[in-house]
Amino acid sequence: DTEVTQTPKHLVMGMTNKKSLKCEQHMGHRAMYWYKQKAKKPPELMFVYSYEKLSINESVPSRFSPECPNSSLLNLHLHALQPEDSALYLCASSPWEGAPSGANVLTFGAGSRLTVL
Amino acid sequence: TQLLEQSPQFLSIQEGENLTVYCNSSSVFSSLQWYRQEPGEGPVLLVTVVTGGEVKKLKRLTFQFGDARKDSSLHITAAQPGDTGLYLCAGRRVNTGNQFYFGTGTSLTVIP
Repeated sequence: DTEVTQTPKHLVMGMTNKKSLKCEQHMGHRAMYWYKQKAKKPPELMFVYSYEKLSINESVPSRFSPECPNSSLLNLHLHALQPEDSALYLCASSPWEGAPSGANVLTFGAGSRLTVL
Repeated sequence: TQLLEQSPQFLSIQEGENLTVYCNSSSVFSSLQWYRQEPGEGPVLLVTVVTGGEVKKLKRLTFQFGDARKDSSLHITAAQPGDTGLYLCAGRRVNTGNQFYFGTGTSLTVIP
């Protein structure tokens, strides 16, 4: 299995809603990532989990709350979002920090398109 | 300030033309990757380069890693409409853990 699966594909929510984005990989990767991407721009790093522990938080507002229940799953809990949070949210995984350089690459999911009304 | 700068930012060419995209930095990278992303989808890995001066070919695409491992280029020969997409370079630096640094992106449109 060489895929990263993200659900849902599309999500529309109001500013008072609580929702979650989900991500799953079964490649045995030990690092998992959340990125936010606007149209025709590069992905912006939000969070990195390494061995199920949060290792990087790029000063993301607390209305975004990540969770890594186990090495295969990554969630992003959303609450009280703003319209400017509308974007494509990408999950990715990579083997582990010490993997050989040629193998240490990101595998992305197809993304979750979030619209905040 | 972006660690990796790509040029050009936007490129619109006719089918059959050749093009080169550049990815430049003042920092040294242990590896550089190139990804292509189509609208509404996630980036897909095209290639990774790890050795200074390395050249890799993928059909009509040629990738080069600079000798000093600070820059890379992507050359497409005889572009086709299927090459349309957002091209992203990304790199890992030595001893920075799981951090991948993305380039500023190049949006390519190939007109039939």
